[in-house]
Amino acid sequence: GQNIDQPTEMTATEGAIVQINCTYQTSGFNGLFWYQQHAGEAPTFLSYNVLDGLEEKGRFSSFLSRSKGYSYLLLKELQMKDSASYLCAVGNTPLVFGKGTRLSVIA
Amino acid sequence: DVKVTQSSRYLVKRTGEKVFLECVQDMDHENMFWYRQDPGLGLRLIYFSYDVKMKEKGDIPEGYSVSREKKERFSLILESASTNQTSMYLCASRQDTDTQYFGPGTRLTVL
Repeated sequence: GQNIDQPTEMTATEGAIVQINCTYQTSGFNGLFWYQQHAGEAPTFLSYNVLDGLEEKGRFSSFLSRSKGYSYLLLKELQMKDSASYLCAVGNTPLVFGKGTRLSVIA
Repeated sequence: DVKVTQSSRYLVKRTGEKVFLECVQDMDHENMFWYRQDPGLGLRLIYFSYDVKMKEKGDIPEGYSVSREKKERFSLILESASTNQTSMYLCASRQDTDTQYFGPGTRLTVL
């Protein structure tokens, strides 16, 4: 079967660091994607990992461990505009999406 | 920049109507997808297509059909709309295993 697990909701404070975890079990693997989705809008691409390790892109970093079926998205120096849902997606075509983690950034 | 466009941002239809949702991408992507997204259920794949005139059922194809007559265009059809098809519909396109890009979405309300 194919399964992706993410926490449903998280809350963090402006300026802080937050880590959003994703565990997966899929029949195929061609990389792991993270998307950001603001309320009422479409998902937009954030990051892609195909090899183990950390990929850094500005305030956002994403980590992958293929042997553990595990990834996380790290958001640093949180801003109010980071309040959104974060979707983890894995697999071949079609991608399998997690249900998303709703992050609320509070002052 | 990749651009995926959808014919409408908001649509209101009546039960029993036939509804067409159009999606166009401008990057010559082979793969195109239709999802619906509902609170608490995440993105659910309705249909996808990996080539012109080809289609594959996703997780929830019942009540929907699709058409892909040209590479850049993928249409979702609700043959007889029902209230439980009220949802946000998202189209996406992708080349091979590269990044998948989404259209802006169509919020469909069926009364």
